[in-house]
Amino acid sequence: EIVLTQSPDVQSVTPKEKVTITCRASQSIGSSLHWYQQKPGQSPKLLIKYASQSMSGVPSRFSGSGSGTDFTLTINSLEAEDAAAYYCHQSSSLPQTFGPGTKVDIK
Amino acid sequence: QVQLVQSGAEVKKPGASVKVSCKASGYTFPSYGITWVRQAPGQGLEWMGWISPYIGNTNYAQKLQGRVTMTTDTSTSSAYMELMSLRSDDTAVYYCARFRFGDPFDYWGQGTLVTVSS
Repeated sequence: EIVLTQSPDVQSVTPKEKVTITCRASQSIGSSLHWYQQKPGQSPKLLIKYASQSMSGVPSRFSGSGSGTDFTLTINSLEAEDAAAYYCHQSSSLPQTFGPGTKVDIK
Repeated sequence: QVQLVQSGAEVKKPGASVKVSCKASGYTFPSYGITWVRQAPGQGLEWMGWISPYIGNTNYAQKLQGRVTMTTDTSTSSAYMELMSLRSDDTAVYYCARFRFGDPFDYWGQGTLVTVSS
């Protein structure tokens, strides 16, 4: 099973700050790494697929990068509405797995 | 527009079974797989398995093997997840989601809270 680790666990930031979340896979997964945003009481929402492809309608301040085992989700100029948990997910091999999540709080 | 609408919240006793439904609309149901993901209170996301409505084949997470059954009904564009021998640590919100094999989960249901309590 491929284990995904995320850092940090929690990040408290002020609006307009830049946020960087990392996801590391226990073995190479190519670019089969995806990012979801989950706001309290809501279902997860797919933000980025295949490491760097933004989904339609996702604000341009969200971007993803990486390949192999190391991946990054970046939020440029954070807005208050970005307060949420962010999860990475690998679809390279079964069982599919998720990272433990990173909670982004607004100061 | 694509929608996945799940059945309502359930309260079950330990040892019982629960069956959650997920009704799809807005796309060709057999063309996409359905996966199930659960989230215990305050915890992260756990992949449970998937089913192909077109072929009917399934793949389950090893820890749930023998307790979970996923099925579909293409005549009603519905998917079902049945979990048996419920334990307190099965208390969670259960989500269905759509995907093409190898791709991420692009549309999700609203979630169904299953509470297991004596």
